[in-house]
Amino acid sequence: RKEVEQDPGPFNVPEGATVAFNCTYSNSASQSFFWYRQDCRKEPKLLMSVYSSGNEDGRFTAQLNRASQYISLLIRDSKLSDSATYLCVVKGHSGYALNFGKGTSLLVTP
Amino acid sequence: GAGVSQTPSNKVTEKGKYVELRCDPISGHTALYWYRQSLGQGPEFLIYFQGTGAADDSGLPNDRFFAVRPEGSVSTLKIQRTERGDSAVYLCASSLTPQGNTGELFFGEGSRLTVL
Repeated sequence: RKEVEQDPGPFNVPEGATVAFNCTYSNSASQSFFWYRQDCRKEPKLLMSVYSSGNEDGRFTAQLNRASQYISLLIRDSKLSDSATYLCVVKGHSGYALNFGKGTSLLVTP
Repeated sequence: GAGVSQTPSNKVTEKGKYVELRCDPISGHTALYWYRQSLGQGPEFLIYFQGTGAADDSGLPNDRFFAVRPEGSVSTLKIQRTERGDSAVYLCASSLTPQGNTGELFFGEGSRLTVL
């Protein structure tokens, strides 16, 4: 079983839609959680951190449920420029490696 | 430039050959990571350096893979006796400290390796 599981999609949504991505992780000792964004044939870049209390950055909201080992990302009012792959990332208790999910592909259409 | 620099950007080689991939991290970043990303997959951790030493090499798939960082800056990933399954994008990342709590790694654009 992979440490971080994501629905690969693709998610095709119209501009202005709200879309939610989910992710589960297997190691209950995991300490930190993040969402990264990766554009086609580009490098991954940090989108935002995820906290149990929830974390909002503009149109993006991330949430962590430690009891269920579940992470979510909500994007409101989708823009064409949001089209990308969203990677769920978990940092293990060793503090070194970030473990990435396979990514969820989002395509926002006009 | 100010970002992580990786060379070559593309490398095509034949099965059985030796390849070296180079990473020049952001100046002052003590932590350096190598990841491998295959098509349709997320980045897969290979090795982490803190300074000159490999603090965690648990992700290296086998002994054909080796990485060095002799002066605590530039790192080289070395792959011996390449196999077709080694074809992937090899990503290097750096961070100012071992990530701290921000989780932000700064990735290079990657070296795309194709083994024929």
